[in-house]
Amino acid sequence: NAGVMQNPRHLVRRRGQEARLRCSPMKGHSHVYWYRQLPEEGLKFMVYLQKENIIDESGMPKERFSAEFPKEGPSILRIQQVVRGDSAAYFCASSPTDTQPQHFGDGTRLSIL
Amino acid sequence: QKEVEQNSGPLSVPEGAIASLNCTYSDRGSQSFFWYRQYSGKSPELIMFIYSNGDKEDGRFTAQLNKASQYVSLLIRDSQPSDSATYLCAPKTGSYQLTFGKGTKLSVIP
Repeated sequence: NAGVMQNPRHLVRRRGQEARLRCSPMKGHSHVYWYRQLPEEGLKFMVYLQKENIIDESGMPKERFSAEFPKEGPSILRIQQVVRGDSAAYFCASSPTDTQPQHFGDGTRLSIL
Repeated sequence: QKEVEQNSGPLSVPEGAIASLNCTYSDRGSQSFFWYRQYSGKSPELIMFIYSNGDKEDGRFTAQLNKASQYVSLLIRDSQPSDSATYLCAPKTGSYQLTFGKGTKLSVIP
């Protein structure tokens, strides 16, 4: 039974480029959450999605960041015009309902040159 | 601002001893509490969760919750070197959002 799958594991971008991070939830899970972990910091909630719906994006910066979870395919976190401060580990988690425990993927380490 | 405080450590314990990890939280509305283990460069792995005041045991792990004191702890009995990791406390605020502490780094000395 595959866990939460994230790709790529590592992503290097130059300032001004776009970064696309993908997340496939565990089988049977329809709730997806994105968190960001800056160096020496705790994980911070970014956005919560269900299929085709953004439920809560209160933790996501208003500009340059967007997220989607289409009817078919993985959830995608998109960062446009990346800056050095976007360098972090981005983790996706999923759960079968919003009240049940969240299980995390291995994360995408984003480095901005 | 919802805050979760953990002693950053490192907490060093000898192999076979009990490791005690503590966490305080500011949001009185938190109803469920999760402990995750994170090895360096890896993903957080769910260890325990607790909803009610008191103790909950699972194998070598015991979670303790005191909502009146806004305090949650994790005890690891018979600590093993493989338990060496960072332990993250995460109350759930609202129905779904986890608020993480910075974690306590545990080192189990053989």
